Amino acid sequence: ETGVTQSPTHLIKTRGQQVTLRCSSQSGHNTVSWYQQALGQGPQFIFQYYREEENGRGNFPPRFSGLQFPNYSSELNVNALELDDSALYLCASTPAGANVLTFGAGSRLTVL
Amino acid sequence: DQQVKQNSPSLSVQEGRISILNCDYTNSMFDYFLWYKKYPAEGPTFLISISSIKDKNEDGRFTVFLNKSAKHLSLHIVPSQPGDSAVYFCAASELSGGYNKLIFGAGTRLAVHP
Repeated sequence: ETGVTQSPTHLIKTRGQQVTLRCSSQSGHNTVSWYQQALGQGPQFIFQYYREEENGRGNFPPRFSGLQFPNYSSELNVNALELDDSALYLCASTPAGANVLTFGAGSRLTVL
Repeated sequence: DQQVKQNSPSLSVQEGRISILNCDYTNSMFDYFLWYKKYPAEGPTFLISISSIKDKNEDGRFTVFLNKSAKHLSLHIVPSQPGDSAVYFCAASELSGGYNKLIFGAGTRLAVHP
C-alpha cells in the first residue's frame, strides 16, 4: 500500500506571495490533517478535513486554508506569506476516528 | 502554553544500554498518548501508543509507561541500537468538537553510539 505523499518537497517564496502544498493520503484513509513544524519545535495542528469539509482547526489565521477532494487528497494554501511561515508542513492521513496518524515526508517552505 | 513538554532536547546512550525518554503533560482530559520517531528528511513514523486506561504498553524493544497522577509518560528502549538514533516526539490525542488532533512536544534527539 502506498503511504502519504506530499509535493513539492522544497520550495522558496518571498514575503506576500501565495503557496499551495499538495498531499495524497494513504489508501483507505478518508481523513487528512495538516501540521506545521517550525525549526526546533514539534508539529502544530493547523486543520483537519473529513468528507471534503474542514472539521477542526488549530490556532492559525484564515490565510491558512485547505481543500479535500473526493479521492481524499488535499491541498494547503497559505496567502500573504510571512517570514514566520517558514517551516516544514506535514500532511497526515488516518481512517475516520483513529488516533494514529500516518505522516508524509513534508514540504519544506522557506519564505524570504 | 505548552500542554505537552519534553524537557530534554537531547540524549546520548551507548549501544546496548537502555534509553529513557520523558514527557510531561498538563491537560488531564488527554485520553491517548503516542510516540513518533523522525529521521532527517522523513516524516514522523508511529512507534507506540498507550491509552489512558493503561499504565504500560510494550512492543518488542519499546515500552511506554504512563503515570496519570503525575501526568508523565516515558518511553524505554532496550537494548538501544544505532538505528534508533532519531528525534522522538511525544504526542497527546485530544478529542475536541468531534475530531481528534495530536498535540506534540518539542522532541528529544536520541543519539545511540557504539
